[in-house]
Amino acid sequence: EPEVTQTPSHQVTQMGQEVILRCVPISNHLYFYWYRQILGQKVEFLVSFYNNEISEKSEIFDDQFSVERPDGSNFTLKIRSTKLEDSAMYFCASRDRGHVTDTQYFGPGTRLTVL
Amino acid sequence: DQQVKQNSPSLSVQEGRISILNCDYTNSMFDYFLWYKKYPAEGPTFLISISSIKDKNEDGRFTVFLNKSAKHLSLHIVPSQPGDSAVYFCAASEAHGGSQGNLIFGKGTKLSVKP
Repeated sequence: EPEVTQTPSHQVTQMGQEVILRCVPISNHLYFYWYRQILGQKVEFLVSFYNNEISEKSEIFDDQFSVERPDGSNFTLKIRSTKLEDSAMYFCASRDRGHVTDTQYFGPGTRLTVL
Repeated sequence: DQQVKQNSPSLSVQEGRISILNCDYTNSMFDYFLWYKKYPAEGPTFLISISSIKDKNEDGRFTVFLNKSAKHLSLHIVPSQPGDSAVYFCAASEAHGGSQGNLIFGKGTKLSVKP
């Protein structure tokens, strides 16, 4: 069964450093999302991406964040200058081209630890 | 600003009995509701959904009930099995509001099913 994959599974970085989290969505999917979950908190929407541009973003997704689909398979989340409060699990999700209610499939997540 | 609330952080149920997980929402624009299940070290996995035009949706052992007037939904699992032990997230979206389907999650309820 096709699945969303994410690398790395765990990333440790120093405050102020740039990180890039990588995702490979399911191959025929066209809509891509990033969510995050701070430890003990709810899963929060960050950004949605379609047709090579951002569709929606939350207030969390400020100028320090950017997303890119550099080729036909990868979908990346970049944090330019990490802060301690960026420590969280980051989940990538993708869905098919159909209706917005089509299932979003989530990857296993990348645990980001900012020291 | 909790638009989706799961007020019970945990629930313990005996194997074979019914598990009832509850969720409340505040945003009247939500018209599509989902339940995701999450095991440790994995991403959320879609379980079942319901559109606001329905009040019940059933899939095997899982049934979701929606009470729009009360802005309340619940997930029933009958019979509960030890393998159902996981964190269950309620999520909502504005499927017809121009959204690309970004999901608003609750904080989750940890279900433990005891043999």
